[in-house]
Amino acid sequence: EDQVTQSPEALRLQEGESSSLNCSYTVSGLRGLFWYRQDPGKGPEFLFTLYSAGEEKEKERLKATLTKKESFLHITAPKPEDSATYLCAVKRGSTLGRLYFGRGTQLTVWP
Amino acid sequence: DSGVTQTPKHLITATGQRVTLRCSPRSGDLSVYWYQQSLDQGLQFLIQYYNGEERAKGNILERFSAQQFPDLHSELNLSSLELGDSALYFCASSVDGGQNTEAFFGQGTRLTVV
Repeated sequence: EDQVTQSPEALRLQEGESSSLNCSYTVSGLRGLFWYRQDPGKGPEFLFTLYSAGEEKEKERLKATLTKKESFLHITAPKPEDSATYLCAVKRGSTLGRLYFGRGTQLTVWP
Repeated sequence: DSGVTQTPKHLITATGQRVTLRCSPRSGDLSVYWYQQSLDQGLQFLIQYYNGEERAKGNILERFSAQQFPDLHSELNLSSLELGDSALYFCASSVDGGQNTEAFFGQGTRLTVV
């Protein structure tokens, strides 16, 4: 069965304290791995798409990487406004546009 | 702002009732997806429409139905509502059938069944 597992479930960081979030997946025919950010009561906001192992994408303080079994979202020198739930999702080739989501990592950055 | 518009933002209704959630996709997007997010289940795919046709179906209950209209907006109909249907319902859209593009989400409709 396809699975997307994110860890940790929750992470508290002091402002400026860099860390990484993990997304491990077991899916046949991966057609892309996606990172979204979700604020409470809001819709997921698209961050990155990764298609192949070794690929990296960066945006401000965030950097996403992909291997054959997992993806990391590295957060460098986070600020309180980076506090949110970060969701990982995958697409399978056989199910086209459908996204399979992990449960997310709730990140809190305190000043 | 993702460009995906959902209405209403909040909905409170009684058990047994029927409600309709509406979604307008981003300009130019042909696919619309519906997802349900509850505390115990996370984000679950319900159904996808592409250019007016049903493309994929996920964990959608028989009490739920959806359609996409010629102007590409979509509606999700929920009937015989139960307490357990209380959740956030999100619509997303993508340019094509979803094979190679990202999906952008609306702000959701919070449904509370009392």
